[in-house]
Amino acid sequence: GNSVTQMEGPVTLSEEAFLTINCTYTATGYPSLFWYVQYPGEGLQLLLKATKADDKGSNKGFEATYRKETTSFHLEKGSVQVSDSAVYFCALSEWGGSQGNLIFGKGTKLSVKP
Amino acid sequence: EAQVTQNPRYLITVTGKKLTVTCSQNMNHEYMSWYRQDPGLGLRQIYYSMNVEVTDKGDVPEGYKVSRKEKRNFPLILESPSPNQTSLYFCASSMDEGREQYFGPGTRLTVT
Repeated sequence: GNSVTQMEGPVTLSEEAFLTINCTYTATGYPSLFWYVQYPGEGLQLLLKATKADDKGSNKGFEATYRKETTSFHLEKGSVQVSDSAVYFCALSEWGGSQGNLIFGKGTKLSVKP
Repeated sequence: EAQVTQNPRYLITVTGKKLTVTCSQNMNHEYMSWYRQDPGLGLRQIYYSMNVEVTDKGDVPEGYKVSRKEKRNFPLILESPSPNQTSLYFCASSMDEGREQYFGPGTRLTVT
């Protein structure tokens, strides 16, 4: 079945460092891909999304490109801040653009030190 | 303010004592869902509902029930909780296909 694999954490970076969190997926169709962020003690928030191959999602300085040839959707940010410390989840939807049935990766905890 | 609310936020209970976790959204969303979050396993979908009176199983439905009698509410029912249902639970909603999914703040449940 469909699945999402993301790099294990925790990831610890210094402020202003470059961030990459790897995410690869397995899907039989043409899923939409998402990155969600969970700040301490809160629910998940959609960070960015891409609905078809070669789309680039971006938000708050984060970017991810939907790469069908490598089945990847890596999250990147050029210069992280302490406020970016959170758990990041890669996810896909099984039904094209629908978020009706999200499948999540296990999450990657990011800690950014001043 | 557009939001998804859950109650209670924290609950400690004993094995076998029926409980209900409520979920309500004020965005007139068609779709609602329940997830559980466990360390090392990420989030897994329990049940979802595409509309009033329409519900379906997610990946881990065993031991749970849901109902969708009104559009805004989607309660999660544990008829006979067991310790393996100790987890962090999230309710979520979205307008329809392709739209952003909004999550509630979570309910931390401990079953002893």
